[in-house]
Amino acid sequence: AQSVTQLDSQVPVFEEAPVELRCNYSSSVSVYLFWYVQYPNQGLQLLLKYLSGSTLVKGINGFEAEFNKSQTSFHLRKPSVHISDTAEYFCAVSRSYGGSQGNLIFGKGTKLSVKP
Amino acid sequence: DAGVTQSPTHLIKTRGQHVTLRCSPISGHKSVSWYQQVLGQGPQFIFQYYEKEERGRGNFPDRFSARQFPNYSSELNVNALLLGDSALYLCASRGRPDFTDTQYFGPGTRLTVL
Repeated sequence: AQSVTQLDSQVPVFEEAPVELRCNYSSSVSVYLFWYVQYPNQGLQLLLKYLSGSTLVKGINGFEAEFNKSQTSFHLRKPSVHISDTAEYFCAVSRSYGGSQGNLIFGKGTKLSVKP
Repeated sequence: DAGVTQSPTHLIKTRGQHVTLRCSPISGHKSVSWYQQVLGQGPQFIFQYYEKEERGRGNFPDRFSARQFPNYSSELNVNALLLGDSALYLCASRGRPDFTDTQYFGPGTRLTVL
């Protein structure tokens, strides 16, 4: 089985500061990794995903994440945040093959609060 | 192009009642998945359908059921509602059932059980 741990439930940061949202996963099989963002009263929007290849993945809105297999981590980073980045961020994992290939397993989320 | 649409947006039910939630995928998408998001938690997988067949089921009781229609829209049914079923129910669609294809989420249906 797979599991996802998001180490910080809330991250406050000032505008234009860098931010890192941490995600660790556990799996006995090969996985795909994802970051989604959820704005208040909205559904989920895909920020970026890692399927294979380069371990540094660039996504929308200036976000990037690095896959580290040895540390089983997939931390999300942005060099300079804006007020509009205030939202909840979810890390998710899916096994890359097999019967449950289509299912996402989510972490509990990290609320990013950007202050002026 | 329209994204994933869900109806209704909100609804309120009482314990023991039945509810049906509806989802229309993006045009051309044949795979639909359902997730439950309880307040303060990440979404939890309920079902996946592809080409009208169930492809996956999460750890939910038999009170939860779903189906997919020939036009690839989908319904999620929940019987004998419990207070703990109060949540945001999210539908997601993609072209293929695997993750080489991006999955798009709808805005969700907020269910409150009193």
